[in-house]
Amino acid sequence: DGGITQSPKYLFRKEGQNVTLSCEQNLNHDAMYWYRQDPGQGLRLIYYSQIVNDFQKGDIAEGYSVSREKKESFPLTVTSAQKNPTAFYLCAAGERTDTQYFGPGTRLTVL
Amino acid sequence: EDKVVQSPLSLVVHEGDTVTLNCSYEVTNFRSLLWYKQEKKAPTFLFMLTSSGIEKKSGRLSSILDKKELFSILNITATQTGDSAVYLCAVVEGSNYKLTFGKGTLLTVNP
Repeated sequence: DGGITQSPKYLFRKEGQNVTLSCEQNLNHDAMYWYRQDPGQGLRLIYYSQIVNDFQKGDIAEGYSVSREKKESFPLTVTSAQKNPTAFYLCAAGERTDTQYFGPGTRLTVL
Repeated sequence: EDKVVQSPLSLVVHEGDTVTLNCSYEVTNFRSLLWYKQEKKAPTFLFMLTSSGIEKKSGRLSSILDKKELFSILNITATQTGDSAVYLCAVVEGSNYKLTFGKGTLLTVNP
């Protein structure tokens, strides 16, 4: 996992609730990423941040929000606007190179 | 239309077999292609390929890229049950360091 931690490991949410997934890294990497993985699917990019106080939408940003106030932290909020939030969420970090290193993931289930 | 296509989607072999996993891509400004192994949690980095025809090797795993035909293969020789995993291929295009993933190949190695 290389210095990237995600919490919680499992998260249950009721419909209509916002939840925040934590991602912390001690690798001193500039760039951080959030991906969503559904069964039988590859990873799809939600948001990414290449530097503190800046972030961009990925391919499936609707219903999600992020912040990047500190270099080591990139929390993801899954809002009630996200229609199908049940999935495995992966956070990654990388220096300004192509290789990204992943955290252990958070499995979110909507009840 | 998917930019990164992996085949086969799943594969079952016996220990000792050799397998070849395929990844084809279609992007406009190719930078690199990455292979990851995912065992029910975070993907772990295997290889990054940027140049055609140069084989990357790590133990029983090897990979090569063909930029003319727009594909890469991942070979695993003398497979072991511990090789059972989803193998993900991802492509980086442009200078935004975003990864576009294929759906993955689920490899099952039976004893």
